[in-house]
Amino acid sequence: GAVVSQHPSRVICKSGTSVKIECRSLDFQATTMFWYRQFPKQSLMLMATSNEGSKATYEQGVEKDKFLINHASLTLSTLTVTSAHPEDSSFYICSARMPSGDRETQYFGPGTRLLVL
Amino acid sequence: AQSVTQPDIHITVSEGASLELRCNYSYGATPYLFWYVQSPGQGLQLLLKYFSGDTLVQGIKGFEAEFKRSQSSFNLRKPSVHWSDAAEYFCARKKSSGDKLTFGTGTRLAVRP
Repeated sequence: GAVVSQHPSRVICKSGTSVKIECRSLDFQATTMFWYRQFPKQSLMLMATSNEGSKATYEQGVEKDKFLINHASLTLSTLTVTSAHPEDSSFYICSARMPSGDRETQYFGPGTRLLVL
Repeated sequence: AQSVTQPDIHITVSEGASLELRCNYSYGATPYLFWYVQSPGQGLQLLLKYFSGDTLVQGIKGFEAEFKRSQSSFNLRKPSVHWSDAAEYFCARKKSSGDKLTFGTGTRLAVRP
């Protein structure tokens, strides 16, 4: 149980275009999902917390108009990188937590590698 | 101040040898503690977690970790390392229920044949 998927696994795009990344909880409903960014050989940095049916909560320094998050259903959250630039190239990982029981543990997706040319 | 510290950036051990990866946290109260493993280009897999109770916790793949309040540590151990254990290991903690998950900088483990 507690499987989280991401799509696509990797994407290459031109500078100025927008890219959408999907995060799905496959075998449970996730009222809360999280988006992280990981630079090469570094740790994960929380970007935002995505709540089903409400606006996402962004961490300090993360541009909400740049990184649009939509959590339209209990199993899907999307991250859209708008007008992507080379500095947005990174590894983006989502996670989800159970809606009840152990609500402290996060289960992570396999990540999406974004390369902006 | 770094809230989760993993002092060792790289560790190399021989296959079959024992392993200990260090993790220290700075928050005083009993936090929620986790160890995750990340293979190259992959997401994170939960190895084990500690919330309360028995301070020695068992995880998957033969890993265990011990919570030591007096040392603010939560070190990960494995008695005999396998070549497939080569990966990046992250310690993480929450200060309290509902707090965000904060990660250490990670320890990269290499395994010699």
